[in-house]
Amino acid sequence: EVQLVESGGGLVQPGRSLKLSCAASGFTFSDYNMAWVRQAPKKGLEWVATISYDGSSTYYRDSVKGRFTISRDNAKSTLYLQMDSLRSEDTATYYCARHDATVVYYFDYWGQGVMVTVSS
Amino acid sequence: DTVLTQSPALAVSLGQRVTISCRASKSVSTYMHWYQQKSGQQPKLLIYSASNLESGVPSRFSGSGSGTDFTLTIDPVEADDIANYYCQQSNELPFTFGSGTKLEIK
Repeated sequence: EVQLVESGGGLVQPGRSLKLSCAASGFTFSDYNMAWVRQAPKKGLEWVATISYDGSSTYYRDSVKGRFTISRDNAKSTLYLQMDSLRSEDTATYYCARHDATVVYYFDYWGQGVMVTVSS
Repeated sequence: DTVLTQSPALAVSLGQRVTISCRASKSVSTYMHWYQQKSGQQPKLLIYSASNLESGVPSRFSGSGSGTDFTLTIDPVEADDIANYYCQQSNELPFTFGSGTKLEIK
């Protein structure tokens, strides 16, 4: 059974940093591109970043470029999101998601999400 | 960016058919996917590449369309289908989602 379990969320002040983790199990992690998708309270879904199966390529939405870094450790089957210079508009539930194997780039499995609140 | 437009809400009677629409601001070919999100839960993939039913999803769900106009159909609607439904395009970066359609029961 595919499982994605996020951790590392919490309350953080504007301008500070936070690092999210996503522990994957039930599949060969190193075979799949992975992503982070967020959802602000009572709002819709917003793609944040994608990383290739081997970590060689990364893609970000413009609003987080230069502030967020997606990375992975295939030996530990873990995905990360380093979030620096956090802003109030980054407040959201952050989901770890697996991209499909056929590289069409939909999200076939999602974690349960972790809440990040940016507030003073 | 490719903007995806969905109707905010739809009300339907149990046992009836409902179609949820998603219009893209530019052609996305068939790189359109649909998700269901129930209250307090993570999204779940229903349909990929416009018309392909994800494994384990009931056959009551179906998808169609190409280019800029897409639909998700549920027939017949069951009480368990109460949720928000999102479309998502993967034709180009950034990947974008529609704002969601809330399905309500009459």
